[in-house]
Amino acid sequence: GQSLEQPSEVTAVEGAIVQINCTYQTSGFYGLSWYQQHDGGAPTFLSYNALDGLEETGRFSSFLSRSDSYGYLLLQELQMKDSASYFCAVRDGHTGRRALTFGSGTRLQVQP
Amino acid sequence: SQTIHQWPATLVQPVGSPLSLECTVEGTSNPNLYWYRQAAGRGLQLLFYSVGIGQISSEVPQNLSASRPQDRQFILSSKKLLLSDSGFYLCAWKVDTYVADTQYFGPGTRLTVL
Repeated sequence: GQSLEQPSEVTAVEGAIVQINCTYQTSGFYGLSWYQQHDGGAPTFLSYNALDGLEETGRFSSFLSRSDSYGYLLLQELQMKDSASYFCAVRDGHTGRRALTFGSGTRLQVQP
Repeated sequence: SQTIHQWPATLVQPVGSPLSLECTVEGTSNPNLYWYRQAAGRGLQLLFYSVGIGQISSEVPQNLSASRPQDRQFILSSKKLLLSDSGFYLCAWKVDTYVADTQYFGPGTRLTVL
């Protein structure tokens, strides 16, 4: 089966940089995804890493190390609107690569 | 562009009552469709997924069922709700390819069972 671990909560100040870590265990690995969810809203896709290294999209970057079964999401120049929950996810090998298993989420609080 | 709709947005139901939640997708054909449930402050639990009309895979045995009567319509049902069915129900779609893992979520239905 699949399991993912990420911190439950992270607090940072506006303008700072924050890193949200994710470690995973999977029966077959096809990539690590990150989603953002604001309170009361639906998750939205942020990034996807299939290969080792860093993927950058504006203020957000995502890193993957397949040998360590580890990834992180890096948020730079934090803004108040970045306060949300962030989920890492891997493809579910049991369902033939067609579904995702999500971590429990990291709640990010950005303070002024 | 693609759009995903869910209704109702909010629902309060008594224990033992039936349930029907609907999800429709516009702007794409033959999507993979998913139902997730999210308890307060928790991650997303996959309930059902479908790769085509009439094809439903259940991930968690429970008193819920799903149907896909049309290509872009996905329905979540229950004959008798339990208190433990309360939660945020999310429908999602994905193009059936091996490339990336982008799932697009609907706005969700917040269900409270009393």
